[in-house]
Amino acid sequence: DAGITQSPRYKITETGRQVTLMCHQTWSHSYMFWYRQDLGHGLRLIYYSAAADITDKGEVPDGYVVSRSKTENFPLTLESATRSQTSVYFCASNSGGWDTQYFGPGTRLTVL
Amino acid sequence: KNQVEQSPQSLIILEGKNCTLQCNYTVSPFSNLRWYKQDTGRGPVSLTIMTFSENTKSNGRYTATLDADTKQSSLHITASQLSDSASYICVVNLRINSGYALNFGKGTSLLVTP
Repeated sequence: DAGITQSPRYKITETGRQVTLMCHQTWSHSYMFWYRQDLGHGLRLIYYSAAADITDKGEVPDGYVVSRSKTENFPLTLESATRSQTSVYFCASNSGGWDTQYFGPGTRLTVL
Repeated sequence: KNQVEQSPQSLIILEGKNCTLQCNYTVSPFSNLRWYKQDTGRGPVSLTIMTFSENTKSNGRYTATLDADTKQSSLHITASQLSDSASYICVVNLRINSGYALNFGKGTSLLVTP
């Protein structure tokens, strides 16, 4: 767990503001993922990245932007936050394929 | 429609008792199935992983079983402890053209009481 960190852990923002959630891993994993977790939905994939400068959409990408200029970092940006984006966001990483995904501690985001 | 269904949605048991959580899936072609444990306020942590050729896998007091024919898996917890209180998530790994995709169940919330 200590190898993947997220910041901030808690964030309150207002509708329309831009918010960036940070994710950092120290394992040099190729793959990184962003999920959101909401009551009644379980974990849903937002975006993932197979390597630096390679990203792809997941199940619920609308309203989110990602980048991966360095292998160890995978920031998630909400360009204009909406109340429906209130959620807990988890970052994860792995070496790819069937390897176990290791999850960060999560960021609880509230959009007022 | 979620292709990974878990039951029960929540469960309360007394410390020291055993319990079994269920996972039914409809996704195919199946690659592997994992059980994760998620403590409150934390990220999920992998407990077990099974491929389609494996019937059972143990991790301490946790034993997962898989029946690939009926597309059912179970997670059995023996001699439960208070620290077992958590959400248990079943995840099915699906093969797709571009690689693989994870299908998450909604989880079973387990509360172990003294």
